[in-house]
Amino acid sequence: EPEVTQTPSHQVTQMGQEVILRCVPISNHLYFYWYRQILGQKVEFLVSFYNNEISEKSEIFDDQFSVERPDGSNFTLKIRSTKLEDSAMYFCARGDAAGDTQYFGPGTRLTVL
Amino acid sequence: GENVEQHPSTLSVQEGDSAVIKCTYSDSASNYFPWYKQELGKRPQLIIDIRSNVGEKKDQRIAVTLNKTAKHFSLHITETQPEDSAVYFCAAIYANAGKSTFGDGTTLTVKP
Repeated sequence: EPEVTQTPSHQVTQMGQEVILRCVPISNHLYFYWYRQILGQKVEFLVSFYNNEISEKSEIFDDQFSVERPDGSNFTLKIRSTKLEDSAMYFCARGDAAGDTQYFGPGTRLTVL
Repeated sequence: GENVEQHPSTLSVQEGDSAVIKCTYSDSASNYFPWYKQELGKRPQLIIDIRSNVGEKKDQRIAVTLNKTAKHFSLHITETQPEDSAVYFCAAIYANAGKSTFGDGTTLTVKP
């Protein structure tokens, strides 16, 4: 099963700027997830997204974060006003069913200066 | 919420030996337990998973066991090879919601 691709591979931004990270799936995928991994640390769940709605989100996923998948196209993660501590790898994953096997994309490395 | 503890944090073995990594979880609602291998700078790659209705699963040199009563599951790698060297993460997932909790990871080093 193919995974997803993510763009950009590396994003550098200034603190306070908005960033949009993109996950490019095959159109028939319904289940998506965003994860964050700070360098050298564990993978942290951000949000799960089923049928174009948020299903579950973690404490990390506060008002600065949003996700959407307009018209079945790219699945995006937006960070409204980036902070230094947002610097991390952001992985998108897709699944075949709710809570089923998840396949990770290659990730976007976000660097906030 | 769910809490996953993973041990050990680092593990060094000789090539050909076995490696065992253990995870415990706290939420009895978790019912899906994947294991991921992550090489430096790469994405987590699923290597094996187990669901709560199964006690053990094996795939060639890799096996996973699950004890629902004790709320722990383990990864077993036999006949280790240098290319098994990586960080291994366990996770516990409540399938209905898809919310995952990962362990802190185990850095496995296989010495040739």
